Amino acid sequence: QSALAQPASVSASPGQSITISCTGTSTDIGRNNYVAWYQHHPGKGPRVVVSDVTKRPSGVSDRFSGSRSGNTASLTISGLQAEDEADYYCGSYTYNSDRWVFGGGTKVTV
Amino acid sequence: EVQLVESGGDLIQPGGSLRLSCAASGFTVSSNFMGWVRQAPGKGLEWVSTIFGGGSTAYYADSVKGRFTISRGDLTNTVDLQMNSLRAEDTAVYYCARGATGAWAYHFDYWGQGALVTVSS
Repeated sequence: QSALAQPASVSASPGQSITISCTGTSTDIGRNNYVAWYQHHPGKGPRVVVSDVTKRPSGVSDRFSGSRSGNTASLTISGLQAEDEADYYCGSYTYNSDRWVFGGGTKVTV
Repeated sequence: EVQLVESGGDLIQPGGSLRLSCAASGFTVSSNFMGWVRQAPGKGLEWVSTIFGGGSTAYYADSVKGRFTISRGDLTNTVDLQMNSLRAEDTAVYYCARGATGAWAYHFDYWGQGALVTVSS
């Protein structure tokens, strides 16, 4: 059982928008800004698409955006493209226990 | 260009030991915290261990504590994961990952392609 809860799958048509939720607790997502989202294509290493809840690393499309409300973080992908089809994981660092936790992953189908 | 290349993955019997190595290029491993994350077949990502830049502080997931040891080679610019008393549930692709640079940055910004470890008799 993963520490962070994500939906198993989300699907949408090209051009549409989707939002993936990631629910934690007041000790991780709700407590600090150390939430990141990772895109993972099979056979490749994961790639960070959002860090620190809302920051978009250099080189990441502005179609990716992050937000948070209480103990739930969200990743929104707008203008879906075929290349966005992948598994997406949320991850968080827990400052008071020095651990990193990931969600169970969400398979995005375009 | 930052690159991470894992090596050492293999088929190993339960109870055996294996050492994974992560060769870094484009940066020095002593400048960033480094970690290992694994993915069991059909499962999601699971954090395994992290070592901080000072080299003396390391953290482990409960599932591997006491069996795995992370270390850093400053001269070789590598990060290793020594895995002992391996179990079938340790079977996974093991990814090496670089911690982001900067104060209060705790995510992993670069990842390797992974090394497959299979524990089976």
